[in-house]
Amino acid sequence: AQSVTQLGSHVSVSEGALVLLRCNYSSSVPPYLFWYVQYPNQGLQLLLKYTSAATLVKGINGFEAEFKKSETSFHLTKPSAHMSDAAEYFCAVTGGGGNKLTFGTGTQLKVEL
Amino acid sequence: KAGVTQTPRYLIKTRGQQVTLSCSPISGHRSVSWYQQTPGQGLQFLFEYFSETQRNKGNFPGRFSGRQFSNSRSEMNVSTLELGDSALYLCASSLAGALTSYNEQFFGPGTRLTVL
Repeated sequence: AQSVTQLGSHVSVSEGALVLLRCNYSSSVPPYLFWYVQYPNQGLQLLLKYTSAATLVKGINGFEAEFKKSETSFHLTKPSAHMSDAAEYFCAVTGGGGNKLTFGTGTQLKVEL
Repeated sequence: KAGVTQTPRYLIKTRGQQVTLSCSPISGHRSVSWYQQTPGQGLQFLFEYFSETQRNKGNFPGRFSGRQFSNSRSEMNVSTLELGDSALYLCASSLAGALTSYNEQFFGPGTRLTVL
């Protein structure tokens, strides 16, 4: 079985500051890991994915994440936050095949001036 | 290329009624998955359909059912609605793929169901 844990249900940063959203995973098989973003009243948009290729994954909108097997982590970062980054972010995992995604509980990112 | 579309976007029902939600996948996509999103339980997988067959199922009661048509469009049905069924229901589509591989999923905007 697979699961992900997102540390911090709310994160607040200043515009221009580093964004760090934490995700730890648990998987009995090599996982595929994802970060999705959800804006109010919208569906989920894929930011980036790890599928066992490069451990440092670059995504859209300047986000990236690093897969660290030794720490079972897949934290999301962005060097400089922008007001438009304010949204809810979900880490997700699937493993063993198929399209069933298991999501974390989400982190609401607030960006302040 | 048009994205995943879901209809209706908003729905209000009363307890005991049943509801049908529709999802049209991206053209060429053959897999459709459904998720329920609530403030209390978060995002939970309901089921996945591929080539008109359910090939994966989450941990939901039998009141939740779905089907997929030959054009890959999918519907999900919830019978005997309960207050706790109030949620955002998201549909995601992806290309065909074996169960041993992952196919990127594209999400629709969701249907907001309110049960009174």
